[in-house]
Amino acid sequence: SQTIHQWPATLVQPVGSPLSLECTVEGTSNPNLYWYRQAAGRGLQLLFYSVGIGQISSEVPQNLSASRPQDRQFILSSKKLLLSDSGFYLCAWSPTDRRNTIYFGEGSWLTVV
Amino acid sequence: GNSVTQMEGPVTLSEEAFLTINCTYTATGYPSLFWYVQYPGEGLQLLLKATKADDKGSNKGFEATYRKETTSFHLEKGSVQVSDSAVYFCALSGSYNTDKLIFGTGTRLQVFP
Repeated sequence: SQTIHQWPATLVQPVGSPLSLECTVEGTSNPNLYWYRQAAGRGLQLLFYSVGIGQISSEVPQNLSASRPQDRQFILSSKKLLLSDSGFYLCAWSPTDRRNTIYFGEGSWLTVV
Repeated sequence: GNSVTQMEGPVTLSEEAFLTINCTYTATGYPSLFWYVQYPGEGLQLLLKATKADDKGSNKGFEATYRKETTSFHLEKGSVQVSDSAVYFCALSGSYNTDKLIFGTGTRLQVFP
């Protein structure tokens, strides 16, 4: 069966510091991969999605970037965090041919102080 | 473009009360509709789905019927439990399995004993 892992689960970082959140998927190949952010009271926002290694699409302009160095690895990064980057970040995957069937990781809480 | 609108929360109920969380959508063609649930501190899980008009999705006592005439997919449960306390997201995808999911802003449900 397929599983998705993301880490760290909780992170407190000062303004201006870098960020790296990592996500891996097991039990499937060539998944579509996603990063979502859930800010307090603002619902779920799609940040990035990837349909293959090195292929990243950004949904909204922002302070963050994403990379996919391996087929089942998806990394969310920032060089300098802002206070507004605080939120709950969710990695997710879907089968190659079914982008409307999404499976989520357990999320990472980021607090920028 | 496609969009989803769901009722503002929080919804506060006593145990064994009847639950309705409203969801309406705007879409071209014949979208698929979903409800996801997010328990405290966790990622999202698919609760139920319906892929064509008049279909009823059901799971864990929750039901939602795809109503094309009213462009709605309201979530209902006859008798809620404290363990149902969570955030519920309505979501939509286009007619094709390769279309992305679009989420509503989420509705928090709080059930008290």
